[in-house]
Amino acid sequence: GENVEQHPSTLSVQEGDSAVIKCTYSDSASNYFPWYKQELGKGPQLIIDIRSNVGEKKDQRIAVTLNKTAKHFSLHITETQPEDSAVYFCAATSSGAGSYQLTFGKGTKLSVIP
Amino acid sequence: DTEVTQTPKHLVMGMTNKKSLKCEQHMGHRAMYWYKQKAKKPPELMFVYSYEKLSINESVPSRFSPECPNSSLLNLHLHALQPEDSALYLCASSQALQGFTQYFGPGTRLTVL
Repeated sequence: GENVEQHPSTLSVQEGDSAVIKCTYSDSASNYFPWYKQELGKGPQLIIDIRSNVGEKKDQRIAVTLNKTAKHFSLHITETQPEDSAVYFCAATSSGAGSYQLTFGKGTKLSVIP
Repeated sequence: DTEVTQTPKHLVMGMTNKKSLKCEQHMGHRAMYWYKQKAKKPPELMFVYSYEKLSINESVPSRFSPECPNSSLLNLHLHALQPEDSALYLCASSQALQGFTQYFGPGTRLTVL
């Protein structure tokens, strides 16, 4: 089955700096990679996603890059703000027959220091 | 609108109680999911419904009983739970099963005494 590794497990940055979280996956059949942000006491919220036919996707201060050859994808947050503080999960899945499961990374706790 | 709602927000129950968690979505999604999340861990899949039929049961103990009364609603019936079942229970939905974005609800924080 799929295995997703996520690094780092904790990340502290100064407000205004950039944050990068990296994930690697094992199953070459995986072709959809969402990122979720989870604030304390809340459910995971989708913040950005990417499919394997695209190398990069951007939404304002958030971007995701995908390297299919190396089987890794990364989340980039620029100009970080205190409200970006949360746990971030990467995930991978495939759209193939019999695939239904999101495989999550273990999460990164991001702290943005004002 | 990508909203999934869950009730109640918090639930405290004894080990002999019977209670239910409810989940609702009005996005026309045909796949719905129950996840369990322990502190500082990612969500763990419990059940998957596709077109109101149970598709996947990830070897969940029978004290958890899911139900999908219609395409918008998903229930999780709880009976004779153990303290180790205390967790955040998350509902999610997606347009269909394979490769579609899953949208999560806010969760129900369950404490079993």
